[in-house]
Amino acid sequence: DAMVIQNPRYQVTQFGKPVTLSCSQTLNHNVMYWYQQKSSQAPKLLFHYYDKDFNNEADTPDNFQSRRPNTSFCFLDIRSPGLGDAAMYLCATSRDGAGLGELFFGEGSRLTVL
Amino acid sequence: ELKVEQNPLFLSMQEGKNYTIYCNYSTTSDRLYWYRQDPGKSLESLFVLLSNGAVKQEGRLMASLDTKARLSTLHITAAVHDLSATYFCAVLPTNTGNQFYFGTGTSLTVIP
Repeated sequence: DAMVIQNPRYQVTQFGKPVTLSCSQTLNHNVMYWYQQKSSQAPKLLFHYYDKDFNNEADTPDNFQSRRPNTSFCFLDIRSPGLGDAAMYLCATSRDGAGLGELFFGEGSRLTVL
Repeated sequence: ELKVEQNPLFLSMQEGKNYTIYCNYSTTSDRLYWYRQDPGKSLESLFVLLSNGAVKQEGRLMASLDTKARLSTLHITAAVHDLSATYFCAVLPTNTGNQFYFGTGTSLTVIP
């Protein structure tokens, strides 16, 4: 019973060719996150949504954009992928306020840039 | 600048031995999380620690939180090969919204 679903699991793209990664959740959590994780590194927060409010990290390149059309879905758009954008992209959700506040992660989308 | 540091970064231990991973953080928080990550996989939640003095145990792993010292520990008892993975702590600072800060990670290898 997957609760945070990411698609595709594996994405191969060419240098400069736009890519969209998707994330859907069945938890009805109001906060959704996108993390980038490179090999042997900690996850790095790119941005997050609190409901419809978008929160961008100061060091997230403009090349990365996000959309959240409704509570259940969130998209990560990479407008012009470079070789340095090859990474695992992790979507996560949490419920703000009451509760444990923990992050629930999807399986991740591994991006390869040729 | 907020920092979350784990020690050690790499740990190789024999089966049956005990060891502790440390997570130090530089902000006010009473919420600390431990995650496990297998190679090529996503992160799996292990423990949620929500107050000073909190202690949680699951199998051979036990986590604790000291908010005054800004320190959490993950103790491994009688390690087995299946525990080989990378372990991350994550902090949710007080009064700074919904941003989680991850530690540097500890790569654990348990040798038979």
